[in-house]
Amino acid sequence: AQSVAQPEDQVNVAEGNPLTVKCTYSVSGNPYLFWYVQYPNRGLQFLLKYITGDNLVKGSYGFEAEFNKSQTSFHLKKPSALVSDSALYFCAVSAFGDSWGKFQFGAGTQVVVTP
Amino acid sequence: DAMVIQNPRYQVTQFGKPVTLSCSQTLNHNVMYWYQQKSSQAPKLLFHYYDKDFNNEADTPDNFQSRRPNTSFCFLDIRSPGLGDAAMYLCATSREGGELFFGEGSRLTVL
Repeated sequence: AQSVAQPEDQVNVAEGNPLTVKCTYSVSGNPYLFWYVQYPNRGLQFLLKYITGDNLVKGSYGFEAEFNKSQTSFHLKKPSALVSDSALYFCAVSAFGDSWGKFQFGAGTQVVVTP
Repeated sequence: DAMVIQNPRYQVTQFGKPVTLSCSQTLNHNVMYWYQQKSSQAPKLLFHYYDKDFNNEADTPDNFQSRRPNTSFCFLDIRSPGLGDAAMYLCATSREGGELFFGEGSRLTVL
C-alpha cells in the first residue's frame, strides 16, 4: 500500500520569504512523486514530478522539490514566495510498476502568503 | 491548446434526480479518471479507465456509474444523488506512468 503525509494543514509565510511545504511518503518499489496546486473552484494544476535522476527537481512558477530517499520525503520549496502563491498544495505518489494508474494524494496544505 | 474539458462547471440538482457529468480530452491519453473532492480535502478516486478497461474503486458507491464511449470522452452518472454527494467532481487524464492532467471540475449541489 502507498501513502502520503502532509503534516501541516496550513503554512503561513510573508511575501519574499522562502516557502516550504512538507511531504513524506510510503511506497513499495520506486516512487513517482508529484506536486499539484489548486486555486479556489479550479482543478488541480501540475507543478513538478520526480521519476528518477537528479534529486532536485525544478518545476513551474519557480517551484522546486527535493527527493530524499533515506527520509522518504519530497518537500516543495520556493525561494521567494508571492501573494499569488496562496493556494492549496497537494503531494501525490504513484508506485512504479504497480498501481501505476493510482495516485495517492496527501491531505493538502493551505499556503497563505501575506503582503 | 490540448486540454481536459468538463461540463457543466456547476450543476444543481434535486435529491434523487439523476445527473450526468461529462469530460472530454484532446490529449489522446489512454487513461482517464474520475475523482470526488469535498471541501478542500484530498481528491478521492472513484474510477479509472485504461483504454476501455474499467477499474472501479472498492469503496465507490453503486450510485456512481461511468461510461467511456471512446478515447476522448468519459461520463460520470450519479443515479440518485443524495446530500452527501455534493462535491467537486474532477476528471483527469494521463499517459501510462505520467502525471495527471485535470479539468476545471464540475461542482455539484444537491438540494
